[in-house]
Amino acid sequence: GQQVMQIPQYQHVQEGEDFTTYCNSSTTLSNIQWYKQRPGGHPVFLIQLVKSGEVKKQKRLTFQFGEAKKNSSLHITATQTTDVGTYFCAGRGTGGSYIPTFGRGTSLIVHP
Amino acid sequence: NAGVTQTPKFQVLKTGQSMTLQCAQDMNHNSMYWYRQDPGMGLRLIYYSASEGTTDKGEVPNGYNVSRLNKREFSLRLESAAPSQTSVYFCASSPTQGAGELFFGEGSRLTVL
Repeated sequence: GQQVMQIPQYQHVQEGEDFTTYCNSSTTLSNIQWYKQRPGGHPVFLIQLVKSGEVKKQKRLTFQFGEAKKNSSLHITATQTTDVGTYFCAGRGTGGSYIPTFGRGTSLIVHP
Repeated sequence: NAGVTQTPKFQVLKTGQSMTLQCAQDMNHNSMYWYRQDPGMGLRLIYYSASEGTTDKGEVPNGYNVSRLNKREFSLRLESAAPSQTSVYFCASSPTQGAGELFFGEGSRLTVL
């Protein structure tokens, strides 16, 4: 079945440093979504990427979808303490049930 | 507009006891899902319901049953709880199975002793 690998599992940064998390799928994806989960909270949708090579920005967050639609990344510029949480990618395949498969997430810890 | 509501938020069970986690959404979504979240394991799909009247197994269905009671409600039942089912359970919904973002409930933290 479809697998979505996400790295790193954890990332410690000093406030102001940049952060990147990567997702790789074993199969081509129809779309990929990104979610953020604050400590003790529930996942909240950030964005969806659909097109090959697509790049979207939300303030300090930049999301990319690879040309082959098998990988994606989330980059945060100049992290802030409010960025703390776990970031998940979720990919939908191009065939079958189209249920999103989640990566294991990257936990971002920002040190002030 | 409450979104996705889960009950209970916390529950402690003894091994072998049964319980049902309730989930309701008020967004008129067709698809609903149950995930479990364990440290370092991300979100693993237990069961899903693509539309009212249908349910299907996800990645980790053993030990669980589900009921799509109507379009709004999707419950998860543990018939005989085991310590391995200690986890945080999230219900989610989306407009359809193949498109749209997932809206998550606040989660139900279950401990099985």
